[in-house]
Amino acid sequence: DAGITQSPRHKVTETGTPVTLRCHQTENHRYMYWYRQDPGHGLRLIHYSYGVKDTDKGEVSDGYSVSRSKTEDFLLTLESATSSQTSVYFCATNREGQPQHFGDGTRLSIL
Amino acid sequence: GENVEQHPSTLSVQEGDSAVIKCTYSDSASNYFPWYKQELGKRPQLIIDIRSNVGEKKDQRIAVTLNKTAKHFSLHITETQPEDSAVYFCAASTYGNKLVFGAGTILRVKS
Repeated sequence: DAGITQSPRHKVTETGTPVTLRCHQTENHRYMYWYRQDPGHGLRLIHYSYGVKDTDKGEVSDGYSVSRSKTEDFLLTLESATSSQTSVYFCATNREGQPQHFGDGTRLSIL
Repeated sequence: GENVEQHPSTLSVQEGDSAVIKCTYSDSASNYFPWYKQELGKRPQLIIDIRSNVGEKKDQRIAVTLNKTAKHFSLHITETQPEDSAVYFCAASTYGNKLVFGAGTILRVKS
């Protein structure tokens, strides 16, 4: 859907290390989003972007930063990973007023 | 901010029966309500959505109803089939951005 590619698909790392997840889209969508999915919580918005260099916080943004230097790429960075950030991370994109479509997710484990 | 509650958390039905999942939202400004289906290990996929200017929308065996006064919306699946077994998420937002999701409903269709 919407030509969304997330990388890596799986990652295991240690507490305190930096981690960057990438979302790449080929549909020239203006809006891009990062969600995390945890049991019992559904999907929760971390950060989103409404254009190149335009980003804003979601409901669970603490400990995360994002960057969008090109329309097609939206990066999520955990500056110093903690075990509470173990989760499945989904990227989504959409055009104005259109439904969001999701990538295949990144499973991140922090030991 | 917006809060979305979803019930039930699990639902078991016999093949051929109907299934109903209900969600309530708190922000009267919300005007867009999508439903996503997520199979195990897969990405959430949009199955139907409704906007606040419409009370009901149908797509084959799936329908969504919206009651703006009571601030709740429901997913109805008729003639359930084993392939309908999945986790279903409701969400609410204004204009399709910054989705707030319910916690999800595990639907099991027994054959």
